[in-house]
Amino acid sequence: DAGVTQSPTHLIKTRGQQVTLRCSPKSGHDTVSWYQQALGQGPQFIFQYYEEEERQRGNFPDRFSGHQFPNYSSELNVNALLLGDSALYLCASSLLRDSYTGELFFGEGSRLTVL
Amino acid sequence: GQSLEQPSEVTAVEGAIVQINCTYQTSGFYGLSWYQQHDGGAPTFLSYNALDGLEETGRFSSFLSRSDSYGYLLLQELQMKDSASYFCAVSTNAGKSTFGDGTTLTVKP
Repeated sequence: DAGVTQSPTHLIKTRGQQVTLRCSPKSGHDTVSWYQQALGQGPQFIFQYYEEEERQRGNFPDRFSGHQFPNYSSELNVNALLLGDSALYLCASSLLRDSYTGELFFGEGSRLTVL
Repeated sequence: GQSLEQPSEVTAVEGAIVQINCTYQTSGFYGLSWYQQHDGGAPTFLSYNALDGLEETGRFSSFLSRSDSYGYLLLQELQMKDSASYFCAVSTNAGKSTFGDGTTLTVKP
């Protein structure tokens, strides 16, 4: 049973570029949440998707957008990259009901470096 | 909004017991979770408390006091492999989890 898979694992971009990160949730899960984790900090909530709709959003600008597909996989898009967007981007999957009990399954993340 | 406070670093020796505290402020509190993250790896779920009291899972236990907005993670019989970052996270009645900045645990021989 595959867990949460994310791609790419590492990538380097320059300021102003755009990036798309991808996530396949754990088999059977229907809810995907995206987090940004800067070095030495905890994961910061970006947004959550369920039934192909954005359910909730954290304090991130509109440059951060996402999508969920019918197979529950998800994408995170970041436009007009800034140096401060350099971070580990984590995807977490769950059943919707388990998102209330905080039992999230995380992928290994995509490490983005913006130069 | 939500805010969580936990110590930034804790050091202990192999075989010892360590407690990592977490205080929180949140609206719509649903429960408190704990996660472990080894350097550069994925956070992994350890435990969850929705009600006051102690939950035990092997060497790890977690405690919650809703009236004090306080919880802790207790790690017993520490092993070298327990060296990692530990995060508390509050989940809300909207189904969102907010994480603290983590506690780096160093286990020394």
